[in-house]
Parts: sequence; C-alpha cells; structure tokens
Amino acid sequence: EAGVAQSPRYKIIEKRQSVAFWCNPISGHATLYWYQQILGQGPKLLIQFQNNGVVDDSQLPKDRFSAERLKGVDSTLKIQPAKLEDSAVYLCASSEGLPNEQFFGPGTRLTVL
Amino acid sequence: KQEVTQIPAALSVPEGENLVLNCSFTDSAIYNLQWFRQDPGKGLTSLLLIQSSQREQTSGRLNASLDKSSGRSTLYIAASQPGDSATYLCAVRRDDYKLSFGAGTTVTVRA
Repeated sequence: EAGVAQSPRYKIIEKRQSVAFWCNPISGHATLYWYQQILGQGPKLLIQFQNNGVVDDSQLPKDRFSAERLKGVDSTLKIQPAKLEDSAVYLCASSEGLPNEQFFGPGTRLTVL
Repeated sequence: KQEVTQIPAALSVPEGENLVLNCSFTDSAIYNLQWFRQDPGKGLTSLLLIQSSQREQTSGRLNASLDKSSGRSTLYIAASQPGDSATYLCAVRRDDYKLSFGAGTTVTVRA
C-alpha cells in the first residue's frame, strides 16, 4: 500500500514570496491533516479535513496561509506572503476516519531567507 | 486547551537497557493517544495507538500504558538497540477530536 506522498521535499524562498505544498493521502483515507513542525518542537496542527470539508483550522494563520482539498483526495497548502518564522517542516498525514490512526508523509522542509 | 508534556527532552542509555518514556496531558477527556517515532529529517512513523478505554497496547518490544485519570502515558521499549535511537512523540486526541502533540523525547542508545 502506498504511503502519504508530499512534494516538494525541500523549498527555499525569499521572505514575502509565495509557496505551495502538495499532499496525496493514502487511498481511501477520508481525513487529511497539515502540520507545521518547527525545529525542536512537536508538530502543530494547522488544518484538518474530513473529505473536502474543514473540521478544524483554529491554528491556521488565515491572513497568510490557505489550504484546500477540492475533490476530497489530494490537498494543497499555500503560504502567501512567507515570513522568516514560517521556516519549518510541513507534514501531511491521513487517516481512515476522524479519530483513527494517523499516517504521515515525509514532509516538506521550507527555508525562508 | 490540552497541554502535552514529554519529560525528559533527551535520554541516553547503553544498549540492552530498557527505555521508559513519559507523556503527560492536562485534559483527561481524551479519545485516544498515539505514540510516534521520528528519525532525523523524516516524517513520523506510528508505533502504537491506545484507545481511551484501553489500559495498554503492545507491539513486539514496545508496550504503551495509559492512565487517563492521572493524565499519563508511558512507552516502554525493552532491550534497547542502537536502531531505537530517534525522537519519540506522543499525540493526544481529545473527545472533541482536537489533537495535541508533545515536543518529544530524543533517545540515544549507545553501542
């Protein structure tokens, strides 16, 4: 069974530029999560989708971050404009349903200069 | 708001010693708790998931216990090996399905 796929794996941008990350969850998984992990910290949930509906986006900085999961399968997370403090690893995870075991992708390491 | 704490932040043990990793949480109204392993530069690998109705869960050399009333979970790794060196994180899901992660415990197993 294929795991959670993410791209790109690495991205370096200048501050104020925009960037987008892509995630393809495990086939059949209804729930998709985006996390931000800053070095030395645990992952922080940014947004959680159930199919193509948002379940929780309470920690998403909505002035600069946006995410969509239009067809209930893959998802895109965008940052516009990026700030230095956005430098982190962005992790995508999926699960069969809302409270079930999560499976993570390899992450995208973002460096903002 | 659920606060999840993992102490110590780092741990170094000789090969063969048993590992005991702690996770504490402030809100006992949890749905489940999941333990993960993270290798440097990699994503998270699921180790064990404990439902709120369970007291423990086992997989091979790993055993996780859950005490909801005291807000604690412990991950035991028997007979540690150098390959067990990684960061171990716990994630707590509340009854309203909101998730919170601890900052992790970085383990080094010395050969």
